[in-house]
Amino acid sequence: NAGVTQTPKFQVLKTGQSMTLQCAQDMNHNSMYWYRQDPGMGLRLIYYSASEGTTDKGEVPNGYNVSRLNKREFSLRLESAAPSQTSVYFCASSEGGGRRETQYFGPGTRLLVL
Amino acid sequence: QKEVEQNSGPLSVPEGAIASLNCTYSDRGSQSFFWYRQYSGKSPELIMSIYSNGDKEDGRFTAQLNKASQYVSLLIRDSQPSDSATYLCAVTFLSSGSARQLTFGSGTQLTVLP
Repeated sequence: NAGVTQTPKFQVLKTGQSMTLQCAQDMNHNSMYWYRQDPGMGLRLIYYSASEGTTDKGEVPNGYNVSRLNKREFSLRLESAAPSQTSVYFCASSEGGGRRETQYFGPGTRLLVL
Repeated sequence: QKEVEQNSGPLSVPEGAIASLNCTYSDRGSQSFFWYRQYSGKSPELIMSIYSNGDKEDGRFTAQLNKASQYVSLLIRDSQPSDSATYLCAVTFLSSGSARQLTFGSGTQLTVLP
């Protein structure tokens, strides 16, 4: 049982390049989330998916797109990377539906945009 | 705008002392409150959750919630060097569908001195 996995662990991009961050969970959770964490700041929600087939914007969605490929997988795409998107990206999942549910986080992807 | 504020720190305590971490939140409709611990370079991990006014104890950790004052705290008794980490306060509110959005504070960095 791996929990939440993310690939890649680290990536360097040039401004304007595109890439997709992958996330998968094996806990049969309904809800999945993408966050970014910048130095000295807490996590900020980019997009989330309440259930398979649905996605919604979070606090900071500009410059990103997401795909809920199936119940297990939730990807985050940067179409044209900018230096402001240099950050650590965390994927999380939860069972969904209850106010007491816990979100479980993946190990993170460190992204540097030059 | 839903906000979560934490005492900015950094906070240093001697080994064996009590560490007190504080958090206030702006949304009176918030229902669930969480404390996550994040070691440097790692992902957040849940250490405490609290949903009702009062205290909740789990080992050396005690979470305290006062909804009237919109205040939640975490006490760590008999602090150990291994408790040195950043502690993130997170609050949920009901969003669309069944997903619950977590709003995080910026974190308090705790150092326990041997």
